Amino acid sequence: DAKTTQPPSMDCAEGRAANLPCNHSTISGNEYVYWYRQIHSQGPQYIIHGLKNNETNEMASLIITEDRKSSTLILPHATLRDTAVYYCIVSTGFTNAGKSTFGDGTTLTVKP
Amino acid sequence: DTGVSQDPRHKITKRGQNVTFRCDPISEHNRLYWYRQTLGQGPEFLTYFQNEAQLEKSRLLSDRFSAERPKGSFSTLEIQRTEQGDSAMYLCASSPGQEQYFGPGTRLTVT
Repeated sequence: DAKTTQPPSMDCAEGRAANLPCNHSTISGNEYVYWYRQIHSQGPQYIIHGLKNNETNEMASLIITEDRKSSTLILPHATLRDTAVYYCIVSTGFTNAGKSTFGDGTTLTVKP
Repeated sequence: DTGVSQDPRHKITKRGQNVTFRCDPISEHNRLYWYRQTLGQGPEFLTYFQNEAQLEKSRLLSDRFSAERPKGSFSTLEIQRTEQGDSAMYLCASSPGQEQYFGPGTRLTVT
C-alpha cells in the first residue's frame, strides 16, 4: 500500500472549518483514501473514504485532487470534541482494507 | 447492536505468563482485524480474518501470538510467555467491507 504524509499537528478555532491535508504521491489506481480519527484512550473511528470523487457525509468532506496525489479532510464546523489524532490511509480497499499501517497521523487541537 | 466489544479492558500480567483477549465484532461483519498500538504510535496491523479463516498475519505476529475466530463470530488473541515489549493496546475491528469499526481496546501491561 502507498505511504502517506501528514503534518504532525494542527490547531483550529472552535466553529471554524478544519482542513487536514494528506499527501499520497505514490497512490495507485485501485487504492482508496480512508480517514479515521482517534480520540484519546478510545479505538479509532471511521470518518470517510473515497477513490477519486469528492465525498461528503454527516461527519466530514473528503476532497481528492485530480491527480489523486493528495487529499484534504474537511470538518466544516469544528467543535472541541473533534480534538483527536486524524489518520489518512491508502489501501486497495475491500480485499485489503485494514491491513495498512496507520502511521502517526495529525493531532488536531480545536481551541475555544 | 452496540458495536465492537473487547474483554478485558485492562490486563496486568507478569513476564512469562500467558494472556488471552476476546473480541466480539458487530454481528454479520465477516471481516475481523487485530491491531497493536503503542504509546504515541498509530495502530499496527497484526492479523485479519474473513469469517473463520485467518487470511493474513503480519510479521509482527511472532510465534508467541495466536489468534482464532471459531465459527466466524468472536475472536481471541493469545500471547504466550509475555515479554515487557508486549505492553501495548490491543485493538480489534470488524468490517462489513470498506470501513472498519473499532472496539475500545485491551490495554496490556507486562511487569
